[in-house]
Amino acid sequence: GIQVEQSPPDLILQEGANSTLRCNFSDSVNNLQWFHQNPWGQLINLFYIPSGTKQNGRLSATTVATERYSLLYISSSQTTDSGVYFCAVHRRNTGFQKLVFGTGTRLLVSP
Amino acid sequence: EAQVTQNPRYLITVTGKKLTVTCSQNMNHEYMSWYRQDPGLGLRQIYYSMNVEVTDKGDVPEGYKVSRKEKRNFPLILESPSPNQTSLYFCASSLRGLGANQPQHFGDGTRLSIL
Repeated sequence: GIQVEQSPPDLILQEGANSTLRCNFSDSVNNLQWFHQNPWGQLINLFYIPSGTKQNGRLSATTVATERYSLLYISSSQTTDSGVYFCAVHRRNTGFQKLVFGTGTRLLVSP
Repeated sequence: EAQVTQNPRYLITVTGKKLTVTCSQNMNHEYMSWYRQDPGLGLRQIYYSMNVEVTDKGDVPEGYKVSRKEKRNFPLILESPSPNQTSLYFCASSLRGLGANQPQHFGDGTRLSIL
């Protein structure tokens, strides 16, 4: 099946810093989503981005489908950005109807 | 507001006592799915449904049942819960199946502890 790798596994930032999280996937995909799991366990949908670039406030994401990676940018980080960031993908015509999640990047933003 | 609603959000119960976790979406989505999340194992799919009366097993269906009698609801049933089903559960939905280039919407999660 498709493999999804995220880096770095852990990241500690000072409030106000910028960061880039990476997601590599082993095959072409038709669905790629970024999620933020907050300390209460909720999965917050950040971006649906199988290709191209999107921005939402301090967050933006870019997926280069031909090179099989996606990047999530967090600018001017805040303590509320802490949590785990997951990339999840789906590949069409595999017979599977599920998102395959990466292992996540754990982010801690300190004041 | 478009959302996926799970209930309960938290539950502590005992082995063998049947329980149901409800999931409801208000977006007229055809596809719904259940995942469980465990430390070191990530999110794994339990069951999914492509439409009313159409359900299929995911990666870890043992010990669970589902039904899809109405489009908006997709309950997860644990007939005889055991401690290894202690986990964080998520319900998800999308307009069509995942091959149709649609984002998945997730509920807020249900934290189950089975003693």
